[in-house]
Amino acid sequence: RKEVEQDPGPFNVPEGATVAFNCTYSNSASQSFFWYRQDCRKEPKLLMSVYSSGNEDGRFTAQLNRASQYISLLIRDSKLSDSATYLCVDPISTGGTSYGKLTFGQGTILTVHP
Amino acid sequence: GAGVSQSPRYKVAKRGQDVALRCDPISGHVSLFWYQQALGQGPEFLTYFQNEAQLDKSGLPSDRFFAERPEGSVSTLKIQRTQQEDSAVYLCASSLGSGSGNTIYFGEGSWLTVV
Repeated sequence: RKEVEQDPGPFNVPEGATVAFNCTYSNSASQSFFWYRQDCRKEPKLLMSVYSSGNEDGRFTAQLNRASQYISLLIRDSKLSDSATYLCVDPISTGGTSYGKLTFGQGTILTVHP
Repeated sequence: GAGVSQSPRYKVAKRGQDVALRCDPISGHVSLFWYQQALGQGPEFLTYFQNEAQLDKSGLPSDRFFAERPEGSVSTLKIQRTQQEDSAVYLCASSLGSGSGNTIYFGEGSWLTVV
């Protein structure tokens, strides 16, 4: 089993729609995660952090369910500019190192159309 | 700019050729990472430096891959005898400190195509 698994999509949604992505992880010791956004032919950029208490930033809400070992990202009122690949990230390896090494999921492709 | 800079941005190599990819991290950043991203996949960890020390090279796929950071700033990823499966984007990232709480900044990557 991969350490971080995502549905690759693609998700095609109209502007204004609400869309949700899920991600599952295997390292039960992990206590926080990240969602990164990657535009076509660009580098990954941090979108938001995810903790047990959840995190909300404008139209974006991230939740962590440690009992079921999954993370979610909810995007409300989708914009054309939200079109990108969304990467679920575990910042702690299965070896327990914590120096900043990131374990990425495959990424979920989102396309928002007019 | 003040971000992570990588060169070359694009490289086409013939199979069997050696390549060297350069990374200039943000000035003063202690930690430096290399990742490999194949088409349609997420980035995969290759190696980690803390200053000039290579503390983790567990992700390097074979002994054809070698990375160095001799003075604790610029880093070079070298791939010897390139093969088609080496075709990928090679991303460099840096962070100010060495803990997981430090923000990690990625460069735009070096796109390697082996023909």
